[in-house]
Amino acid sequence: DAGVIQSPRHEVTEMGQEVTLRCKPISGHNSLFWYRQTMMRGLELLIYFNNNVPIDDSGMPEDRFSAKMPNASFSTLKIQPSEPRDSAVYFCASSFSSGNEKLFFGSGTQLSVL
Amino acid sequence: AQSVTQLDSHVSVSEGTPVLLRCNYSSSYSPSLFWYVQHPNKGLQLLLKYTSAATLVKGINGFEAEFKKSETSFHLTKPSAHMSDAAEYFCVVSAGYSTLTFGKGTMLLVSP
Repeated sequence: DAGVIQSPRHEVTEMGQEVTLRCKPISGHNSLFWYRQTMMRGLELLIYFNNNVPIDDSGMPEDRFSAKMPNASFSTLKIQPSEPRDSAVYFCASSFSSGNEKLFFGSGTQLSVL
Repeated sequence: AQSVTQLDSHVSVSEGTPVLLRCNYSSSYSPSLFWYVQHPNKGLQLLLKYTSAATLVKGINGFEAEFKKSETSFHLTKPSAHMSDAAEYFCVVSAGYSTLTFGKGTMLLVSP
């Protein structure tokens, strides 16, 4: 298995533009997580899905952020409009369950909003 | 509720000397505890996991951690550091049906 695949690896955009981050979880995993990592705040859980259904989105910073999981093999995290304070590394992870199971992380998307 | 505190933001050791990365947790239920490692520009990788079996857990690359309920600690150790161990390490707690809560991370620096 190729592991969790995220794209793009790097994204540079201007303030106000829409940004879409993509994730393909490991086949057979039924839980998918989006995390944001910054120096100041560390790793923050933004949202997680179980069986393609959003379970907890309390970590989503504000309405500019949205996430979808249209099927078991694909998820997107969208920021519209983007702001400089959204600059961070965004990680997608998947697992067999949403509880105490091992998470498999993608390599992340480095987002820079100018 | 659950939380995790990594007591050191940076730890510096010399190659060949022991490594100790400290972690304390709090949890309303019996926790599962993890250590993840993140090498530069990479995603996180699981080092080891404790889930109420043996209190001393052995992980990959010679790391191990001991669960001490009385001290609410789950410190990560390695007898002899290698240059390739230089990375950021995250202590993680999960309890009940909750998702994982990550610590702020400890950067391990290894000098020759």
